[in-house]
Amino acid sequence: GNSVTQMEGPVTLSEEAFLTINCTYTATGYPSLFWYVQYPGEGLQLLLKATKADDKGSNKGFEATYRKETTSFHLEKGSVQVSDSAVYFCALRGGGNKLTFGTGTQLKVEL
Amino acid sequence: NAGVTQTPKFQVLKTGQSMTLQCAQDMNHNSMYWYRQDPGMGLRLIYYSASEGTTDKGEVPNGYNVSRLNKREFSLRLESAAPSQTSVYFCASSVEVQGTNQPQHFGDGTRLSIL
Repeated sequence: GNSVTQMEGPVTLSEEAFLTINCTYTATGYPSLFWYVQYPGEGLQLLLKATKADDKGSNKGFEATYRKETTSFHLEKGSVQVSDSAVYFCALRGGGNKLTFGTGTQLKVEL
Repeated sequence: NAGVTQTPKFQVLKTGQSMTLQCAQDMNHNSMYWYRQDPGMGLRLIYYSASEGTTDKGEVPNGYNVSRLNKREFSLRLESAAPSQTSVYFCASSVEVQGTNQPQHFGDGTRLSIL
């Protein structure tokens, strides 16, 4: 079956630091890949997506590239802000409508 | 824009009590989903409904039932609550167009504690 593995958190960074959150996946076929963000007390919001190999999704300064050869979709941001503090979920969608989520990575950004 | 609305936001139950979690979306989406979120386990799909009148089991359906009342509403029922069902429950919806990958839109969650 499909599965998503994310790096464990929490990740604590200083403001303006570089962020990488690793995500690897196992799936048959050609899944679509997503990053969702969850702010405290809220539901998940789509951050970015990529639907085929070598696609780069980007939004709000975050980027992730769909790497089929390494089955990875790592999330990066060049300079994080305190407002980026949240839980980040990597997810994949194989055949059908269903999403498979990773366990989430908590990010805390400090001044 | 309301998006996906879940009620209630918080609830405490005793073991054996029953409860229905409500979810409504105003985006004319055809697909709706119920997830539970537990520490260290991400989100796990309980049930989903690809269209009005259809429902299917997800990864963890035991102890739950669902009803797709109409296109807007998708409820989740716990018939006899157990402490293992203490969790945060999220409802989501999406528009499914063949050949595209539309995102799921989530509600703010229902925090359920079962004593």
